[in-house]
Amino acid sequence: GENVEQHPSTLSVQEGDSAVIKCTYSDSASNYFPWYKQELGKGPQLIIDIRSNVGEKKDQRIAVTLNKTAKHFSLHITETQPEDSAVYFCAASTGNFNKFYFGSGTKLNVKP
Amino acid sequence: DAGVIQSPRHEVTEMGQEVTLRCKPISGHNSLFWYRQTMMRGLELLIYFNNNVPIDDSGMPEDRFSAKMPNASFSTLKIQPSEPRDSAVYFCASSRGTSGGDLDEQFFGPGTRLTVL
Repeated sequence: GENVEQHPSTLSVQEGDSAVIKCTYSDSASNYFPWYKQELGKGPQLIIDIRSNVGEKKDQRIAVTLNKTAKHFSLHITETQPEDSAVYFCAASTGNFNKFYFGSGTKLNVKP
Repeated sequence: DAGVIQSPRHEVTEMGQEVTLRCKPISGHNSLFWYRQTMMRGLELLIYFNNNVPIDDSGMPEDRFSAKMPNASFSTLKIQPSEPRDSAVYFCASSRGTSGGDLDEQFFGPGTRLTVL
């Protein structure tokens, strides 16, 4: 089955700096790659997603890039703010019943 | 829409007791997922349903765990008997999804924090 690896497990940046989180996947049939943000005491919430026919997608300060040949995708957050502090999860899906394979999570700490 | 609703939000019980967690998915969604989250193991998929039918329960850790979805608007996850190592946050998520390769967001509920003493 699919295996998704996520790095780093923790990331600390200064407010205003950029943050990058990277994920790799193993199943070449995966064609949907969502990113979730989980704040303390809450359920994960989708922040951005990308489909395999697109190489990059941007939404204000966040962007995701996908390299299908290398089987890796990344989340980029620019101009980080303290409210970006949370745990971020990447996931991959082949679409079958919309089942997701999640990475292990990255705890992002943005220092004011 | 109110989103995915889970109850209770917190549950404290003693080892050996039966625990039932409840989930109401978003109306119109036909896939429902139960996850368990711990520091050690991260987010684990326990079981998922499509059109109220269990599709894959290979993530259910033991026979002590069971899940049902009697109708499109309600699902339960039961642990009987509960053990301290079952302590975790349990999430329910729902989405539109079929076997035909639909790709769509999973919407997560707020979770149930279970503590087994």
